[in-house]
Amino acid sequence: GENVEQHPSTLSVQEGDSAVIKCTYSDSASNYFPWYKQELGKRPQLIIDIRSNVGEKKDQRIAVTLNKTAKHFSLHITETQPEDSAVYFCAASITGGYNKLIFGAGTRLAVHP
Amino acid sequence: GAVVSQHPSWVICKSGTSVKIECRSLDFQATTMFWYRQFPKQSLMLMATSNEGSKATYEQGVEKDKFLINHASLTLSTLTVTSAHPEDSSFYICSALGLAGGGTDTQYFGPGTRLTVL
Repeated sequence: GENVEQHPSTLSVQEGDSAVIKCTYSDSASNYFPWYKQELGKRPQLIIDIRSNVGEKKDQRIAVTLNKTAKHFSLHITETQPEDSAVYFCAASITGGYNKLIFGAGTRLAVHP
Repeated sequence: GAVVSQHPSWVICKSGTSVKIECRSLDFQATTMFWYRQFPKQSLMLMATSNEGSKATYEQGVEKDKFLINHASLTLSTLTVTSAHPEDSSFYICSALGLAGGGTDTQYFGPGTRLTVL
């Protein structure tokens, strides 16, 4: 079946450094790739998304790149801050109706002051 | 915009009882809602897709008679965990698919309901 692999599972960086999280997907028909941030005990919040007709998208310190040929997409966070510490999930849309998403396993990001 | 609420935020129940969780889209209409469960330190696992006015679609391995879903209106979906057992203890999160500022495939999540079955 469809799956999304996400790496690394944990990431520790110093404040001000960049963080990169990578995901690969299996369904070549996937066309929507959101990234969610989830703080402990809270809801996942959409931080950025990209669609298959775009190769890169940026929103202030956050950017996402998509390589359709290789079926992978990445999240880039620059100038990290302690409040960026959270679990980040990538997701890919599943074809077949209802706009379902399949999620990666998550990356626990820790930003140290 | 794009606010989704869930009620209750947490619930403790005895084994064998049923628990109903509500998911509401507060400022937009959602013809489709999704129900997920999330175990500690794990990812979101899709349980079912809830469509207004029709039967829910369950993912493989999810018992439809145990997890009853009703999508009675464009702003409300309910998940009822019937005859709950300790292994049903989890974080249940709903999401609503909407046009509120995003595309037709953007999911907005509720705050989740933590279910503990004793």
